[in-house]
Amino acid sequence: GENVEQHPSTLSVQEGDSAVIKCTYSDSASNYFPWYKQELGKGPQLIIDIRSNVGEKKDQRIAVTLNKTAKHFSLHITETQPEDSAVYFCAASRAGTALIFGKGTTLSVSS
Amino acid sequence: EPEVTQTPSHQVTQMGQEVILRCVPISNHLYFYWYRQILGQKVEFLVSFYNNEISEKSEIFDDQFSVERPDGSNFTLKIRSTKLEDSAMYFCASSQDSTLTGELFFGEGSRLTVL
Repeated sequence: GENVEQHPSTLSVQEGDSAVIKCTYSDSASNYFPWYKQELGKGPQLIIDIRSNVGEKKDQRIAVTLNKTAKHFSLHITETQPEDSAVYFCAASRAGTALIFGKGTTLSVSS
Repeated sequence: EPEVTQTPSHQVTQMGQEVILRCVPISNHLYFYWYRQILGQKVEFLVSFYNNEISEKSEIFDDQFSVERPDGSNFTLKIRSTKLEDSAMYFCASSQDSTLTGELFFGEGSRLTVL
């Protein structure tokens, strides 16, 4: 089955800096790669996703890149703000199967 | 904005007791899921449910677990005889389409503590 590895487990940045979180996956048939943000005491919430026919996707300060050959994908957050502080999870799935999550990255943005 | 709701928010139970966690998915969604998150660890897939039957389950989802959609709105997870290692946050999620095309919407979770 699919296995998703995520790094780093914790990330501390200064407000205004960029943050990058990286994930690798094992199943070459996976074709859907969402990123979820989990705030304290809440369930994960989708912030951006990318599918295998696209190499990069951007939504304001958030971007995701996908390298299918290397089986890795990354989340980039630019101009970080304190409200970006949360746990971020990457996930992967192939058609009709459940999302498999990485272990999460705790992002702390200090002002 | 429609949301997935879960009850209870926190349940404490004795080892060996049965527990039922309840979820009300978003009304027009067709796919339902249970995930769990042991404190500080990854979100782990348990089971997916579509068209009134289990469509996929993980190795965690053994005979102690069952799911049911008893009516048109609720989706439940039952743990027959709880073990200490079942202590975790359990998340229900729903989606309109399969994971290929549809976003999963998660509830806020039910924290289960087994003593």
